[in-house]
Amino acid sequence: DSGVTQTPKHLITATGQRVTLRCSPRSGDLSVYWYQQSLDQGLQFLIHYYNGEERAKGNILERFSAQQFPDLHSELNLSSLELGDSALYFCASSVDPLAGVKYTQYFGPGTRLTVL
Amino acid sequence: SQELEQSPQSLIVQEGKNLTINCTSSKTLYGLYWYKQKYGEGLIFLMMLQKGGEEKSHEKITAKLDEKKQQSSLHITASQPSHAGIYLCGAPPADSGGGADGLTFGKGTHLIIQP
Repeated sequence: DSGVTQTPKHLITATGQRVTLRCSPRSGDLSVYWYQQSLDQGLQFLIHYYNGEERAKGNILERFSAQQFPDLHSELNLSSLELGDSALYFCASSVDPLAGVKYTQYFGPGTRLTVL
Repeated sequence: SQELEQSPQSLIVQEGKNLTINCTSSKTLYGLYWYKQKYGEGLIFLMMLQKGGEEKSHEKITAKLDEKKQQSSLHITASQPSHAGIYLCGAPPADSGGGADGLTFGKGTHLIIQP
């Protein structure tokens, strides 16, 4: 158990809908990262939040957005869902992103999103 | 953008045998992470290598980082069924000098252990 929790574990929805995925980082971790894993694209970085502020964006679509709340949990919002958005969504957390390569990202169990 | 190529893509090994998985980066490596994933589950952190020539071991798994070759290898000795899974290498972004941000991952190596 990494200490990172994600809810829900599974989510089935229809095209055009909007969903929210939730992540609670490990105790004491200030950074939250979101990743998408699909069979064709592999594991791809979406976005990074540090202590409530957006730090960096990866391959995140405009239909997707995220935020990190004062209690440090984070939510990933996916809207106007398409079939191709079906994937595993992971969040990861780390202690201090300013520590450079010395930070380790610990991953949650993921949310499996199926868009029908 | 940085790409990590893992080889082989899949590997079937008889229990008790040794094996090696490689990860090669298209750009300078400022560190390298190895994770293990069971199908459909989360990533389990194995090891982090920070500088060239570094070698780390955990139980029967050893990882090395060769900065000059922009490559890392993961070696498993006397493989066991518990080693089965998907092994992923990840690297911090080369474009920011390895600064903290989202990791770039390889496509993974699927390891099957035959009894």
